[in-house]
Amino acid sequence: QSVLTQPPSASGTPGQRVTISCSGSSSNIGSNYVYWYQQLPGTAPKLLIYRNNQRPSGVPDRFSGSKSGTSASLAISGLRSEDEADYYCAAWDDSLSGFWVFGGGTKLTVL
Amino acid sequence: QITLKESGPTLVKPTQTLTLTCTFSGFSLSTSGVGVGWIRQPPGKALEWLALIYWDDDKRYSPSLKSRLTITKDTSKNQVVLTMTNMDPVDTATYYCAHIYWDTVVPNWYFDLWGRGTLVTVSS
Repeated sequence: QSVLTQPPSASGTPGQRVTISCSGSSSNIGSNYVYWYQQLPGTAPKLLIYRNNQRPSGVPDRFSGSKSGTSASLAISGLRSEDEADYYCAAWDDSLSGFWVFGGGTKLTVL
Repeated sequence: QITLKESGPTLVKPTQTLTLTCTFSGFSLSTSGVGVGWIRQPPGKALEWLALIYWDDDKRYSPSLKSRLTITKDTSKNQVVLTMTNMDPVDTATYYCAHIYWDTVVPNWYFDLWGRGTLVTVSS
């Protein structure tokens, strides 16, 4: 059971906008930044969003992140077939001595 | 250009100790703000953070696995080593190491670049 809660699946047709949610608590999302990773089939995770809503160089502006309270969201607009992947949210948790937590992942299917 | 590569046994027996090495290039663990972390992913399952080590030898561990994990660094070899004791079949996973980036704009650390991972199977 992951500390951060994501829907197991999401889907959309090409060109559509989809959102993936990530729910946490006051000790993680509520007090720290949220990061999003994209994992294409058979590959390592790739940083998609950092500091809640910032895109690393090379990430299309079709991808956007937001955070409110203890929840965060990843939005993908203009959906493309190559966006079909698993998406994970992550945050630092301040409890105990501090540790990283990940969401359970959301498998995005482009119909 | 930063690269990381994981290495270690592909098969370990239950109760054995796993030792994984992350060999990296493009940065130094003697540079202020730098760190390396380990994350694993069982087949078909989610990512799970294991441990990390910073340039100043500060170490953090997953609370649920802390008793079984040890992370060390060898700055001269550009390597980070993770050991996990008492391996069990449920520890079968792809193990990734990742570079920790220190965002100085608004101070925070995060995993920005990952190695390709190494699959470790625990079976007798």
